[in-house]
Amino acid sequence: EPEVTQTPSHQVTQMGQEVILRCVPISNHLYFYWYRQILGQKVEFLVSFYNNEISEKSEIFDDQFSVERPDGSNFTLKIRSTKLEDSAMYFCASSQASAYNEQFFGPGTRLTVL
Amino acid sequence: QKEVEQDPGPLSVPEGAIVSLNCTYSNSAFQYFMWYRQYSRKGPELLMYTYSSGNKEDGRFTAQVDKSSKYISLFIRDSQPSDSATYLCAMRMGGGNKLTFGTGTQLKVEL
Repeated sequence: EPEVTQTPSHQVTQMGQEVILRCVPISNHLYFYWYRQILGQKVEFLVSFYNNEISEKSEIFDDQFSVERPDGSNFTLKIRSTKLEDSAMYFCASSQASAYNEQFFGPGTRLTVL
Repeated sequence: QKEVEQDPGPLSVPEGAIVSLNCTYSNSAFQYFMWYRQYSRKGPELLMYTYSSGNKEDGRFTAQVDKSSKYISLFIRDSQPSDSATYLCAMRMGGGNKLTFGTGTQLKVEL
């Protein structure tokens, strides 16, 4: 069964450093998403991406964040200058272009900012 | 008032019990409703997806939506220890892709 994959599974970084989180969405999906989950809190939407551009973003997704689809398979989330409060699980999801638009999630990358 | 409210639990039931998990929401613009299961430190796994008010059944799982009351439920029949996880409700407006999640209900099914 096709699935969303994410690398790395755990990333530790120093405050102020840049990080890139990587995702490989399901191959025939056209919509891509990033969500985050701070420990003990709910899953929160960050951004959706379609046709090589951001289609929707939340207030959390400020200028420190960017997304890119550098090739035909990868989808990345970059955090330019990490803060302590960026520590969270980051989930990538993807969906087909359909009315139901079921979103399938990857296993997540745990980001720890020291 | 939060957009989506979900009792965090924990909810502990004996094996074989029927489990009822619920969410309420305040925004009538939500049109699509989902239930995800999340095991500890894993990604959410889609269990059920509904649009209309009414019931949708899939194996031991039944999702129920009442749009007039802004209330959704997930029922698990013949619960198993492997059902022990956090169950997240999520919903989406008709015109967008953003999912809004509840806080999740932690379920433990005991032998």
